[in-house]
Amino acid sequence: KQEVTQIPAALSVPEGENLVLNCSFTDSAIYNLQWFRQDPGKGLTSLLLIQSSQREQTSGRLNASLDKSSGRSTLYIAASQPGDSATYLCAVGTSGSRLTFGEGTQLTVNP
Amino acid sequence: EAGVTQSPTHLIKTRGQQATLRCSPISGHTSVYWYQQALGLGLQFLLWYDEGEERNRGNFPPRFSGRQFPNYSSELNVNALELEDSALYLCASSPRVTSYNEQFFGPGTRLTVL
Repeated sequence: KQEVTQIPAALSVPEGENLVLNCSFTDSAIYNLQWFRQDPGKGLTSLLLIQSSQREQTSGRLNASLDKSSGRSTLYIAASQPGDSATYLCAVGTSGSRLTFGEGTQLTVNP
Repeated sequence: EAGVTQSPTHLIKTRGQQATLRCSPISGHTSVYWYQQALGLGLQFLLWYDEGEERNRGNFPPRFSGRQFPNYSSELNVNALELEDSALYLCASSPRVTSYNEQFFGPGTRLTVL
């Protein structure tokens, strides 16, 4: 059974700091990995999708890497802003098109 | 381009009643997924529909069911509601299924069972 873990559970940083969110998964037989952002009480916004054959993806200030063999992904956020405050979720796509989610990292960026 | 839409936004029911949640996928997407986000349990996969058929099901009892219509919209039905069914129900859609499909999520329906 696939299990996804995200560390840390919560993170508070001052504005402008670069930060790294970590995601690990137990079964390397994945199709892809998605990073999402969720604001309180809202749906999910897809940030980055990494296919299983890829090593990383970049979008603006975000960079996500994937190491399938070690079962790890990181989301790097450069020059953090207060508007980045949200919960960040990592999800791995497996057979049957299901996404298995981690518990999330709650990020607070202080002005 | 319109994103995934869900209705209603909020739904309040009492224990034992039935709830019906609706989802309209992004235009051109044929797959619809349902997830439950209950407090303390995280996001869990419920159901996957593609081309009108149920393709995969998560570890939920049979009182959770649904269907997909010819226009690819979908309904999630929850029968005999229990207090622990209170959760945010999220719908997602993706293009015709490949191994690489990215899922796009709607805003969710908040179901409260009293």
